[in-house]
Amino acid sequence: EADIYQTPRYLVIGTGKKITLECSQTMGHDKMYWYQQDPGMELHLIHYSYGVNSTEKGDLSSESTVSRIRTEHFPLTLESARPSHTSQYLCASSEYGGTNEKLFFGSGTQLSVL
Amino acid sequence: EDQVTQSPEALRLQEGESSSLNCSYTVSGLRGLFWYRQDPGKGPEFLFTLYSAGEEKEKERLKATLTKKESFLHITAPKPEDSATYLCAVQATTDSWGKLQFGAGTQVVVTP
Repeated sequence: EADIYQTPRYLVIGTGKKITLECSQTMGHDKMYWYQQDPGMELHLIHYSYGVNSTEKGDLSSESTVSRIRTEHFPLTLESARPSHTSQYLCASSEYGGTNEKLFFGSGTQLSVL
Repeated sequence: EDQVTQSPEALRLQEGESSSLNCSYTVSGLRGLFWYRQDPGKGPEFLFTLYSAGEEKEKERLKATLTKKESFLHITAPKPEDSATYLCAVQATTDSWGKLQFGAGTQVVVTP
């Protein structure tokens, strides 16, 4: 079944640790995105990718980095986590081109930095 | 700057009690307006895309409408399984790569 997967679902870590949030999709979509969402607040785009070897920063400034070496894989890395990074991180994908930006979202990773 | 405002922030309904959610938007040129449903602990799930004023889309008990300044999501005779947060998002014509500006959502609770 075509889907988009995020791991881990929940992550509690200490300040200063390096972490990688995984995101994989089986739909063959070219476009992939990372959004950040705090409770009761808007989703904010932090990174996006058109395809392999393409990555761009979104509107919300983020200390995280991303890579896109394979079409299906779009991991997000924080080199040194801080309490301000505590949030929900949502990965999404969509088909390239057209005006119908129907996003498919993963279930998210809830990150807590102590 | 593009802006999306949703109201109310929260809505509590009795089963069968129809209501409407509002999404007001400010965008230089509208490419599309999107409605998503988000259940607790999950990512948003796509519901509708609307492209031009006067357009309507329906899915089961949900009906979305669009004017030049706002969109409404009408919930007719809701059931408890319609409980979720409903998100509105807009895509501007100035954004060639498909950026979406999301609202903060309306949390809907339907009680039996």
